[in-house]
Amino acid sequence: EDQVTQSPEALRLQEGESSSLNCSYTVSGLRGLFWYRQDPGKGPEFLFTLYSAGEEKEKERLKATLTKKESFLHITAPKPEDSATYLCAVWAGSARQLTFGSGTQLTVLP
Amino acid sequence: SQTIHQWPATLVQPVGSPLSLECTVEGTSNPNLYWYRQAAGRGLQLLFYSVGIGQISSEVPQNLSASRPQDRQFILSSKKLLLSDSGFYLCAWSVPSGDTQYFGPGTRLTVL
Repeated sequence: EDQVTQSPEALRLQEGESSSLNCSYTVSGLRGLFWYRQDPGKGPEFLFTLYSAGEEKEKERLKATLTKKESFLHITAPKPEDSATYLCAVWAGSARQLTFGSGTQLTVLP
Repeated sequence: SQTIHQWPATLVQPVGSPLSLECTVEGTSNPNLYWYRQAAGRGLQLLFYSVGIGQISSEVPQNLSASRPQDRQFILSSKKLLLSDSGFYLCAWSVPSGDTQYFGPGTRLTVL
């Protein structure tokens, strides 16, 4: 059974304090790893798809990286507007659906 | 560009009442469509997915059902709601080959 674990569950940062969120996974045949951002009361917003170990993608202050066992979402010099829950999901094997982690709730204080 | 709509945005229903949530996608053809439920503080649980009109796969035995009467319309229904049906319901779409899923704005359902 595919498993996705995100850590930490919650993270509080000062504005400008860089950090990383972790997504570790146990799957059979990874086909893709996805990062989403979710604001309270809204649907998840797609950020990145990573397909193979060593791949990196960047968007503004966010950079996602992938290894064979985990993915990191690096946040550089965060701003209060980066506060949200960040979700990780994997697509593996012959599955038609994604398996989601429980998310990391990020709060950036001004 | 593609857009996905869900309605209603919020719904408060008594136990035992019926349910109908609607999702429509614009700007794409023959999408895969998905219904998820998200409980507070938890990840997303896949309820149903569809690869075409009238083709529905259920992932979790439950009180709910889904239908796809048109290519870009996906409906989540229940004949009699339970308290445990409360939650945030999300619809999503992807291209037919799968891969990235794009989510709608969600429906907050409260069953009293």
